Parts: sequence; C-alpha cells; structure tokens
Amino acid sequence: AQKITQTQPGMFVQEKEAVTLDCTYDTSDQSYGLFWYKQPSSGEMIFLIYQGSYDEQNATEGRYSLNFQKARKSANLVISASQLGDSAMYFCAMREFFYGGSQGNLIFGKGTKLSVKP
Amino acid sequence: GAVVSQHPSRVICKSGTSVKIECRSLDFQATTMFWYRQFPKQSLMLMATSNEGSKATYEQGVEKDKFLINHASLTLSTLTVTSAHPEDSSFYICSANVFTGLFNEQFFGPGTRLTVL
Repeated sequence: AQKITQTQPGMFVQEKEAVTLDCTYDTSDQSYGLFWYKQPSSGEMIFLIYQGSYDEQNATEGRYSLNFQKARKSANLVISASQLGDSAMYFCAMREFFYGGSQGNLIFGKGTKLSVKP
Repeated sequence: GAVVSQHPSRVICKSGTSVKIECRSLDFQATTMFWYRQFPKQSLMLMATSNEGSKATYEQGVEKDKFLINHASLTLSTLTVTSAHPEDSSFYICSANVFTGLFNEQFFGPGTRLTVL
C-alpha cells in the first residue's frame, strides 16, 4: 500500500496567487514526521518544511505553510504569493519514528509538478 | 545548513564499464548516508543505506553486486555501478541525516546524472 499519496501530477498557478499541493499519508504509528521538498530542474532536493505528528500548530516557513489534518491523515503544502521561481517538482515525504528512538527511512510520494504562470 | 556534495555531477559511459560516484558530507560527520535513484518524472527510490564501517543495507530488489557501496569514513560514501548498462541510466542522489535538535533533517547531494550508452 502506498504510504504517501500525491494525487496531483501537475498544477498550474498564476504568479502572486496561492496554491495548495495535496498530500495524504498512511501509517499506523503515532509518532512520525512529514516533510516537503522542492526539486527544481537542476535536480537538487531542497527541504522546505517539517511537521511532527505531535505538533499542535501547523508548521510555517516564510511563504510555505503546512495544512496538517491529523484525523484525515493529510499534510497539504500551501505556497502563498507564488513566484516564477517556485516552478518545480514538489515531493511530500514521511518518516516513521519507532519506539526506542529508531527511525524509519524517508518515504516519498510521486510528486507534483508545479508551474507558475506569469 | 549541512552541505552534501556529489562527484561527478554528470557522467556518460559505455555499456559494460563501471562508474564510481562519490558522496561527501562537507561540514559534518555522517555515520549513515542514503543512496537514491530517480528515473525521469518519477519519485526518489531508496536503494540502500550506507553505514560507516559496516556493510550497506540494500532495499528489496536492488542488486548488491551491481551497486557496490563503500562507506570508508565518516564523510565519504561511494556508489559503484558495476558493468553499467543502458537501463542503469538514471539520476543518483545521496543524502545524510543531521539532527537539528528537533528532528533528523535529511540533506541531499546535488545528484549525479548517469547516462549509459
């Protein structure tokens, strides 16, 4: 079963508008972390934002915010005031934290290609 | 943040040759590094976990003899694609965990694009 589901292969947004990239996850663990990465055409993976499963507040980092709905197991990324440089692939990822301190590997979704139109 | 470098960034080779990719943590020590493979328009797939001073842990379906991993020091892991074939052409990315005080943040290298002719 897929652990991370990104249902939007591609998204378009007008420059300066906000956009939401969807991510749902599947885990039976109570402790886990959710990540969003940006991958521009150059290929490098750029960390954007993190949300811990026990964090009560939604994470925010500049123009990025994570809409965390634990009961629905969703962790959507919201990008406000889109810029042309935001055009890239965006990957949602999850890491499970196990009892005793060990951690699972980072598991990635299939990604969403965001295109920002001028 | 922590910096992970990879070398080379791009390599083109003939079928049957072996290719070595280096992954270095520049300003921190990494007891564990990870190697991923990414095919065009697809997600990152974990190939193996590289452990300093011990054998790598390979994911299911990844050939150990095909993809040799050596983690000789706390700052260097190498991936050697042995007897490369066109189907091995892909984007290979390494990464390392750094504990930031809140969580293990995973820093990625810039990737190596391998093309096997």
